[in-house]
Parts: sequence; C-alpha cells; structure tokens
Amino acid sequence: NAGVMQNPRHLVRRRGQEARLRCSPMKGHSHVYWYRQLPEEGLKFMVYLQKENIIDESGMPKERFSAEFPKEGPSILRIQQVVRGDSAAYFCASSPRGRGAFTEAFFGQGTRLTVV
Amino acid sequence: AQSVTQLGSHVSVSEGALVLLRCNYSSSVPPYLFWYVQYPNQGLQLLLKYTSAATLVKGINGFEAEFKKSETSFHLTKPSAHMSDAAEYFCAVSVSNFGNEKLTFGTGTRLTIIP
Repeated sequence: NAGVMQNPRHLVRRRGQEARLRCSPMKGHSHVYWYRQLPEEGLKFMVYLQKENIIDESGMPKERFSAEFPKEGPSILRIQQVVRGDSAAYFCASSPRGRGAFTEAFFGQGTRLTVV
Repeated sequence: AQSVTQLGSHVSVSEGALVLLRCNYSSSVPPYLFWYVQYPNQGLQLLLKYTSAATLVKGINGFEAEFKKSETSFHLTKPSAHMSDAAEYFCAVSVSNFGNEKLTFGTGTRLTIIP
C-alpha cells in the first residue's frame, strides 16, 4: 500500500510562471488536506478537499492559489504567477474520513517550491 | 479555535540524557493531540497521538507523551536520547467540527543531540 505520493519533490519556477503540485492520496482515502511550511516556520493549513468538492479553503490566499480534487486522478494545488514569497514546502495529507480525520491521516513527503 | 504553543524553538540534550519537549494546547472542546517528527528535507512522520483513551501515550522510537487536562499540556519525553533523534518536532491539535477538521501545528522544536 503506497503512501501519500507528492510530485514533483522539488520544483523551481521563475517569477510569473505557474506551479502545479500533485498529491495522490493513499488508496481508499477520499479526504485531502494541503499545508504550507514557510522556512523556519510550522505548517499552516491551506485547504481541505473531498472528491470534487472544496470543503474548507479558509487558509488559501485569495489570489493566485487554487486547488482541486477531481473524481479521477490526484489532487492539484495550482499557484499562478508565482512570486518569491511562494517559496516553501507544500505538504498534503490524506485520510479515509472527515471526522477524526487526523487520527488516521498520513502526510506525503512534500514538494519544495523554489521561485527564482 | 484551537492552538498549540511549543516552548523552546531549540533544545539540546546530551546523548543518553532525558529528552523533554514541551507543548501546551488551547481548545474549547476535547482535542486530539499529536506529535510529529520531521527530518531534514523530509515529510512528517507521526510519533504518537492522543485520542481520549489512555492519557499516557506511547509512540515509536521510544517516545511517549502524557495528556494533562488540568495543565493543558502534552509534553513529549524520551528517557535516553540517541543521535538519530536529532530532528524537528511538531506538536499539533485537532478538534472535531462536524467532520471539518483542521490540524493546527505549533512552530516546532529543533532537537540537537550532543555526542
């Protein structure tokens, strides 16, 4: 049973380009959470998705950031027109349930985005 | 809203000495509490979790934590530090909110082991 798969592991983008981060949840997991870790900081919640639905995006910046979790395929976190401040590690976690989600959640290895 | 405070952003202990990493939480309802470890350029690995069963929770790699409601604390301990324990440790809290849960992290404690 493969764990939560994130790719790419490392991504370099020039300012103004788009970044697409992918997260494949564990088999049987339909709840996905994205977190951002800025250098020397803890992880901050960004968005919570179920298949084809955004449940909570209260942690997402209002502009340039979007997320989806389609019926088929991985969850995608998309950052348009990246800026240097977007440089961070982005982690996703998946869980088989919503209530008590993190008692059974697993985190991926993260995608480290560097904006140059 | 829930929150977590980790006291001490950096902790150094000698190899073989006791490890104590402090975590205090704030929550208006009974929380779930977690400790995660992160090695350099790696993801998060769950060390242990409290889910309202036993207040003393044993985890992997010899770590344990005790939930103390009266002190709103969930400190992480290990009797004897090993060089491989050097890493960043995060305390986190979640509360059930009609199935919409978020995990709220502390700012982390970097543990250094002195040979």
